[in-house]
Amino acid sequence: NAGVMQNPRHLVRRRGQEARLRCSPMKGHSHVYWYRQLPEEGLKFMVYLQKENIIDESGMPKERFSAEFPKEGPSILRIQQVVRGDSAAYFCASKVSSSYEQYFGPGTRLTVT
Amino acid sequence: GENVEQHPSTLSVQEGDSAVIKCTYSDSASNYFPWYKQELGKRPQLIIDIRSNVGEKKDQRIAVTLNKTAKHFSLHITETQPEDSAVYFCAASRYGNEKLTFGTGTRLTIIP
Repeated sequence: NAGVMQNPRHLVRRRGQEARLRCSPMKGHSHVYWYRQLPEEGLKFMVYLQKENIIDESGMPKERFSAEFPKEGPSILRIQQVVRGDSAAYFCASKVSSSYEQYFGPGTRLTVT
Repeated sequence: GENVEQHPSTLSVQEGDSAVIKCTYSDSASNYFPWYKQELGKRPQLIIDIRSNVGEKKDQRIAVTLNKTAKHFSLHITETQPEDSAVYFCAASRYGNEKLTFGTGTRLTIIP
């Protein structure tokens, strides 16, 4: 059973470009969470999604950031017009409906130049 | 919203000794408290968790205790080994949403 997959693992973007981060949850997991980790800091919740639904986006910046988890395919975190402050590691985690345990992917390290 | 505080931020322990990391939370509705270990450049890994209907849980050298009245929980690592060196994060969540609110992390260094 493959774990949570994220790609790309490293992403370099210039200021003003778009970044698209993908997350494939573990098989059978229908809940996906995205977290951001700034260098030398803890993880901050961004958004919680179930298939085709955003459940909680209270941690996501109102502008430039969006997330989706379509019926088919991976969850996508999209950052438009990236700025230097967006440089961070972005982790997704997944879980099954009946459990609390969240399992993390390897993360995407975004660098904005 | 929930706020989780974690102490200490750094901890150095002689190999073989015990390490204790403490967290407090603010939301009395929180009922799930996991601990994650993160090595440099790696993903957070769930090492142990506890639910609010339990006061203590143990898994080999790792144990977690929860005091609901005081709203604090602790991670205990006994007989520490060099491979225990990492950053440890506590977190809290509650039923119905389960988004994790993390503490700021403890960098644990095991001195050989």
